[in-house]
Amino acid sequence: EADIYQTPRYLVIGTGKKITLECSQTMGHDKMYWYQQDPGMELHLIHYSYGVNSTEKGDLSSESTVSRIRTEHFPLTLESARPSHTSQYLCASSAGQGAFPGAQYFGPGTRLLVL
Amino acid sequence: EDQVTQSPEALRLQEGESSSLNCSYTVSGLRGLFWYRQDPGKGPEFLFTLYSAGEEKEKERLKATLTKKESFLHITAPKPEDSATYLCAVQTSGSRLTFGEGTQLTVNP
Repeated sequence: EADIYQTPRYLVIGTGKKITLECSQTMGHDKMYWYQQDPGMELHLIHYSYGVNSTEKGDLSSESTVSRIRTEHFPLTLESARPSHTSQYLCASSAGQGAFPGAQYFGPGTRLLVL
Repeated sequence: EDQVTQSPEALRLQEGESSSLNCSYTVSGLRGLFWYRQDPGKGPEFLFTLYSAGEEKEKERLKATLTKKESFLHITAPKPEDSATYLCAVQTSGSRLTFGEGTQLTVNP
């Protein structure tokens, strides 16, 4: 079983608040990812990191930011939450080098509701 | 642009009734195809990775196969606990995945 953790699991917050979603993994994986998923819809990549001090934007435009100061930690921050940010946020990590990419392992997710 | 299409969108089976889920893909240079299971309100759970056409992987009642254009997830004699959404994803360059919309499977007792 994958050792990747997300906190909080659920968050209800008012418009304009700053929030940070935490993600940690104990597998020593270099690569980490943030996805956004609305109910019944597909996952969309919003940020990813290939290692410490490396971050990139994903396919889905997002007003969030990320940082990667330590290998095991990949927090996501929303400076000013809006109702349009209401969604489920999933963190994942992977190893794998060269010709055989490794599977991404997912955390349990954070369900965010912005009022 | 990489595209992944899963069918059917939803599938209802009786316990013990075997069936298959389909994942069709259009990519430039497949490096890997991944199957995940996702339960409501949870993160996807990794099932299989397939790297080349002709490859097969099995786990309990599930068997995944891969051709040059599609992958199948065969479910043999399913049980109610197999009810979930099954996601297919492809990886081309780098480590990024492109996901399909999933097949929602319901197995009735």
